[in-house]
Amino acid sequence: AQSVAQPEDQVNVAEGNPLTVKCTYSVSGNPYLFWYVQYPNRGLQFLLKYITGDNLVKGSYGFEAEFNKSQTSFHLKKPSALVSDSALYFCAVRESLPGNTPLVFGKGTRLSVIA
Amino acid sequence: NAGVMQNPRHLVRRRGQEARLRCSPMKGHSHVYWYRQLPEEGLKFMVYLQKENIIDESGMPKERFSAEFPKEGPSILRIQQVVRGDSAAYFCASSPSGFGSGANVLTFGAGSRLTVL
Repeated sequence: AQSVAQPEDQVNVAEGNPLTVKCTYSVSGNPYLFWYVQYPNRGLQFLLKYITGDNLVKGSYGFEAEFNKSQTSFHLKKPSALVSDSALYFCAVRESLPGNTPLVFGKGTRLSVIA
Repeated sequence: NAGVMQNPRHLVRRRGQEARLRCSPMKGHSHVYWYRQLPEEGLKFMVYLQKENIIDESGMPKERFSAEFPKEGPSILRIQQVVRGDSAAYFCASSPSGFGSGANVLTFGAGSRLTVL
């Protein structure tokens, strides 16, 4: 069975500092990996995804994520945090095998960027 | 393009009543997914539908919950005889192709927040 772990419920960062939101996954085969962001009272918005190829994936709003197969991780990063980045971040995974296995989400990490 | 439209945004029901949540997918999307977000938990997959078909309902509770996506009109998530534990945010997402088509991106609606008194 596929699963996602986001070990930190909350991450606090000072504005201008780099940020990292951690994600590890478990799948039987190769993964498709995603990051979504949720602002208050809104739906989830897609940030970026990893399918294959380059391990460093660049996405929206200056975010990037690095796929590390040996550590089964897909951490979200940004070189310089903004106050407006404060939101709830979800990592998600599904196996790349044929079939209709659902997209599985982690519990989310609340990012707070302090001015 | 109006995106994924969910209504109502907020719904209050008393225990034992029925809740109906509606979802209109993005134009051109024929695949719909329902997820539930409970307080302090992540999003839990409930059901995946394509027009007139339920593809995967492995996340749906066995009783009281049902979903449909008719040929015409929105997808409906129906909860009968609601209990307090059903209080949650219910999110609908859509995509032009299904889970089996690879790394397709889901587009989410703003959610329907159900409160059971």
